[in-house]
Amino acid sequence: DAGVIQSPRHEVTEMGQEVTLRCKPISGHNSLFWYRQTMMRGLELLIYFNNNVPIDDSGMPEDRFSAKMPNASFSTLKIQPSEPRDSAVYFCASSSLGGSSPLHFGNGTRLTVT
Amino acid sequence: GDSVTQMEGPVTLSEEAFLTINCTYTATGYPSLFWYVQYPGEGLQLLLKATKADDKGSNKGFEATYRKETTSFHLEKGSVQVSDSAVYFCALGKGNAGNMLTFGGGTRLMVKP
Repeated sequence: DAGVIQSPRHEVTEMGQEVTLRCKPISGHNSLFWYRQTMMRGLELLIYFNNNVPIDDSGMPEDRFSAKMPNASFSTLKIQPSEPRDSAVYFCASSSLGGSSPLHFGNGTRLTVT
Repeated sequence: GDSVTQMEGPVTLSEEAFLTINCTYTATGYPSLFWYVQYPGEGLQLLLKATKADDKGSNKGFEATYRKETTSFHLEKGSVQVSDSAVYFCALGKGNAGNMLTFGGGTRLMVKP
């Protein structure tokens, strides 16, 4: 089991540029989550999908953020245009459906917007 | 809404000391409770969980008991090691919302040799 795979591990970009973060969940998992982690705000849920369908995107900070899950094995989080305040570590996690099923996290993408 | 409150860190201990990290929650219904650990440069990993009142989760010498009467899920370990240095997150989850977890703010543990 390769675990949740995120790419890239690090991304440095200039303000105004488009950024795309990628995630491959664990095979067989039905739920996928995007989190953002910063020192100031801790761990924030941005959006989650069940069976490739977005269920709750109330955590997406603004229209500059969008997420897609075109199939069960791939998801993207896009920021366009990026701003310095978007600098954070972005985590993808997946799990099976069911309230006691644990989340499996990827190692994150560290985004720096200059 | 649901919320999780953890003691603020950092918690600094000497090796072999006893560890307690407090966690309390506010939630409707009957949530499952989790402790996750994050090592530097990595994502969160499940440490232990409990799915109903009075359940005790345990793993790698860590324990936590789901106390509904005090809405708490405190993490304990009898003898910490330097390798336990990490950030620990308490979380609650509800089946009727998929596996969406509500996390506490995290507590950094530093263990000195």
